[in-house]
This record gives sequence, C-alpha cells and structure tokens, in this order.
Amino acid sequence: ETGVTQTPRHLVMGMTNKKSLKCEQHLGHNAMYWYKQSAKKPLELMFVYNFKEQTENNSVPSRFSPECPNSSHLFLHLHTLQPEDSALYLCASSQEWNRAYEQYFGPGTRLTVT
Amino acid sequence: AQTVTQSQPEMSVQEAETVTLSCTYDTSESDYYLFWYKQPPSRQMILVIRQEAYKQQNATENRFSVNFQKAAKSFSLKISDSQLGDAAMYFCAYKGGTYKYIFGTGTRLKVLA
Repeated sequence: ETGVTQTPRHLVMGMTNKKSLKCEQHLGHNAMYWYKQSAKKPLELMFVYNFKEQTENNSVPSRFSPECPNSSHLFLHLHTLQPEDSALYLCASSQEWNRAYEQYFGPGTRLTVT
Repeated sequence: AQTVTQSQPEMSVQEAETVTLSCTYDTSESDYYLFWYKQPPSRQMILVIRQEAYKQQNATENRFSVNFQKAAKSFSLKISDSQLGDAAMYFCAYKGGTYKYIFGTGTRLKVLA
C-alpha cells in the first residue's frame, strides 16, 4: 500500500451530479492538502487541514466542500460543478503544515465535468 | 506575493547526457525552502531534492544537483547521466513563512534513447 491513496482515479460527472473524492494517508501525518492541477498552470492549493482543522480555504468556490473526519482521511465533496473544473485533483500530506516538511502526493483523481 | 517561474515548458536530453532545468522565484523573505518535485506519467509526484535558503552549499542527491543562486533568486536542477526513467514533469516549488507551497508551471523532460 502506497503512502497516500486516492479514489476514484477517474471520474466523469455531469454538472448536476454530486460526487465525492476520497484521500487516505498511511504515514501518520498531521497535515493534508487538496490541490487542483490544470494543464500549463501551477498547482493550485485549494484546502489545508492540520489536525483535522481547516487552516486555509484558498478562495475556492462553494461547489467544492472539503471534509476531514480524522488526520488520515480527507474528502472533497463536489456538486453543481462547471466544465472548467475538469482537472487532476491531487491530495497530499505532510508531517506538519507549518514547517518545510516534504509533501507526499497521491496519484490524483482525473475529473471530467460534462 | 511569492511567485515561481519555470520558463522551459519542455526539454529534451539524450540518454546518459546532462540537462539543466531552470527555475526562478520572487520573494522578499530571507528564510525559505526550495524544492524540485518529479511527476512521472500517470504516477505520483515525488520529491527529488530540497534546498534550505540559509545553506550556501548546493544540495545533491545522487545524479541530481541544484545550482542555488540566492541573490539572483535562481534554483536550477541538473540531472547527470540522464536515464529513461527520468522522463517526467518537473516542478519547482517554494515554501516560505506560511504553510503554502508555491509551485511553478512545470517542465516536461523527455529522455531520448
């Protein structure tokens, strides 16, 4: 089992659907992150959780709703998305959020909004 | 606000040769960290190398080394003896006084056999 896992790996959804992305880390880390990766753009940090508490919402639209029930699991709930939300969504974790610890990334969920 | 710029969208290197990927950044902070991450096709992003800004010595990890020029705000990655497995997207990243990692747009490296 790799350190950070994400499910599903691929997701196609209509604009009126509701779906959730799941991330799980087996590294004992305290911080977890959601990133959006679009072609030819820098990785965009969406949310940061530290010890289950959200420390940052980086001006993300409310159609993206994160949930962190414990330090090992992170969800991203999606509803009424737009085609421009199609991207690779990466989850990452690190030992602490406020130090320069290495981030460990999951394989990502390739999301297509039709 | 800090920014990270990777001016080379794509680079190619012959197997066994050396290639250098460029990264520049802008910051007013004096204490920060710089990273190179590698994202192979359809695989997870992994850390290649990191550099603490307070260290003058350039970081090295086997065939990977950096040329850190703090005054010029430049942080290039040199890959020696390139291998087919080095083909990937390479991202330069900055982390300063906040928790935020700031990434560049990436450089796609192709390794030619």
